[in-house]
Amino acid sequence: TQLLEQSPQFLSIQEGENLTVYCNSSSVFSSLQWYRQEPGEGPVLLVTVVTGGEVKKLKRLTFQFGDARKDSSLHITAAQPGDTGLYLCAGARETSGSRLTFGEGTQLTVNP
Amino acid sequence: EAQVTQNPRYLITVTGKKLTVTCSQNMNHEYMSWYRQDPGLGLRQIYYSMNVEVTDKGDVPEGYKVSRKEKRNFPLILESPSPNQTSLYFCASRPFASGRWNEQFFGPGTRLTVL
Repeated sequence: TQLLEQSPQFLSIQEGENLTVYCNSSSVFSSLQWYRQEPGEGPVLLVTVVTGGEVKKLKRLTFQFGDARKDSSLHITAAQPGDTGLYLCAGARETSGSRLTFGEGTQLTVNP
Repeated sequence: EAQVTQNPRYLITVTGKKLTVTCSQNMNHEYMSWYRQDPGLGLRQIYYSMNVEVTDKGDVPEGYKVSRKEKRNFPLILESPSPNQTSLYFCASRPFASGRWNEQFFGPGTRLTVL
């Protein structure tokens, strides 16, 4: 069982549509990160959220950390083909020291 | 340019033949880590190191060894590879600051196939 469950696992949408990706857990995280990975490359950090209820915006991407710090969401407005990629959430638990746990990822395809 | 490099990028080998995947970072980061990425399972941590001569097991350490003799290098060693170690491997590094998470930089990945 994954500690961090991402949904959906696959998402194919048309350019201009909005979408939300979810990252859920029964565990509390001291911080949560979102990464984007393109084929043939390593993940690249998009954002880190650390406070329950925190909302961060990165252009058309909005990230939210749940009040209880057990879940997070990534919302993309007016998706573009350049947003295509694998989106990964990763959480650091207070009890896990320096270890980061990743979700299984959401593969997003934005069709022109 | 600040980066994490891995070599080789692609490797096909046979069961039981020892191999080493090298990882090097030029950012003077204390923390380095190895992950494997498999479909449907995401990234799973194999080993990590918080500084020179300090290494610890991650979630899936069986069948792997690491060493951290220098700050910039963190090689991954497979003493006797088996087919279930066929995977995409990533090395990563970040500054270590107790109590907060800094940006983790990933290498480009090594695709390993064990026949």
